[in-house]
Amino acid sequence: QVQLRQRGAGLLKPSETLSLTCGVSGGSFSGYYWNWIRQTPGKGLEWIGEIDHGGSAKYNPSLKSRVTMSVDTSKKQFSLSLSFVTAADTAVYYCARSVVGRMEYWGQGTLVTVSS
Amino acid sequence: DIQMTQSPSTLSASVGDRVTISCRASQSISNWLAWYQQKPGKAPRVLIYKASSLESGVPSRFSGSGSGTEFTLTISSLQPDDFATYYCQQYDSYSWTFGQGTKVEI
Repeated sequence: QVQLRQRGAGLLKPSETLSLTCGVSGGSFSGYYWNWIRQTPGKGLEWIGEIDHGGSAKYNPSLKSRVTMSVDTSKKQFSLSLSFVTAADTAVYYCARSVVGRMEYWGQGTLVTVSS
Repeated sequence: DIQMTQSPSTLSASVGDRVTISCRASQSISNWLAWYQQKPGKAPRVLIYKASSLESGVPSRFSGSGSGTEFTLTISSLQPDDFATYYCQQYDSYSWTFGQGTKVEI
């Protein structure tokens, strides 16, 4: 059974960098895309970006200037970095595996709060 | 960006009802449309992909239809476990976008 387990800081101050990591167990790391999605009451579900096992990444244009995703295939994990956070980045962040146009497996979610 | 618009935003229904949720894309997405169910405090769960393919393990009372810009999720006979929020999601070669959600309540 594929499982995605997220970890990372849940409380940040404005202008800090958000860092989250998602570990994958129970399945192959290659042949899929690995995604970050966030959810807020106001904007709903928002796709942040995706990365493949080779490190080729694609980002949401609205966040592209602040987002970096990376992958560590030896540890079967991938990471999200979002710089210069503001209160508008307060959200529940999810990692997910995608294939054939859908997010198959999701992490448990991490509430990230940005507050001074 | 391709925008996804769901209707209705909220739907009141009873156990045993046939329920239909609509999703419209701002431009043609062929059949690159998925449907998710989300319950409070949980991650979304995929129900349907490629507009009409049932995800493994999902009950057969869920079905999807449509292509191009108009799509529908149907629950043939609503069960107590189905009261949740449903989202559509499109995929194109550039990005993924989600609808705003439809809450199915009693």
